[in-house]
Amino acid sequence: DAGITQSPRHKVTETGTPVTLRCHQTENHRYMYWYRQDPGHGLRLIHYSYGVKDTDKGEVSDGYSVSRSKTEDFLLTLESATSSQTSVYFCAISESTANYGYTFGSGTRLTVV
Amino acid sequence: QQPVQSPQAVILREGEDAVINCSSSKALYSVHWYRQKHGEAPVFLMILLKGGEQKGHDKISASFNEKKQQSSLYLTASQLSYSGTYFCGTDGGSYIPTFGRGTSLIVHP
Repeated sequence: DAGITQSPRHKVTETGTPVTLRCHQTENHRYMYWYRQDPGHGLRLIHYSYGVKDTDKGEVSDGYSVSRSKTEDFLLTLESATSSQTSVYFCAISESTANYGYTFGSGTRLTVV
Repeated sequence: QQPVQSPQAVILREGEDAVINCSSSKALYSVHWYRQKHGEAPVFLMILLKGGEQKGHDKISASFNEKKQQSSLYLTASQLSYSGTYFCGTDGGSYIPTFGRGTSLIVHP
């Protein structure tokens, strides 16, 4: 069941360095999302995409950018990583916006030191 | 606006029932429910649309009260496999759910 994969699974990086996380799907779903999960906060939306080259901001988008040049790939970039961006990052896909649940990837645990 | 889940944690023995509530301060179009086991990805359980419907599969069901802007998840005769953190996600019309902080459910033998 590898409809959605995230890479890397774990990463340690230094403050100030750029970092890119990758989400790859084989379901041909139009909608893709990036969330971060922190203790006590649940899942918070960073950015989402509703098609190739079509993206929009979520509630915690500061310090992050995204790109989607192909249906199957959605990249999340931390321009200059900070310790506050230490988190678990989940990618999700959905067939449509309304009436459909999300399928989440296995997550990337990012530590910024 | 993040929905409020209650209780924050539930501890049960196998066979007991549990109810997890999800409340929003905004009018809702739909409510999602997910379960996440430790160290794993959240897994979709069900989605309920406005209209006050109830859904369920196996011994897990949910209701959605549009007027009260609330949803409840019912776990009947709980099993060890039900342990995990349950999240609701509420959609106020943007078609993208905002998730609650989660309810931790622990089922003991």
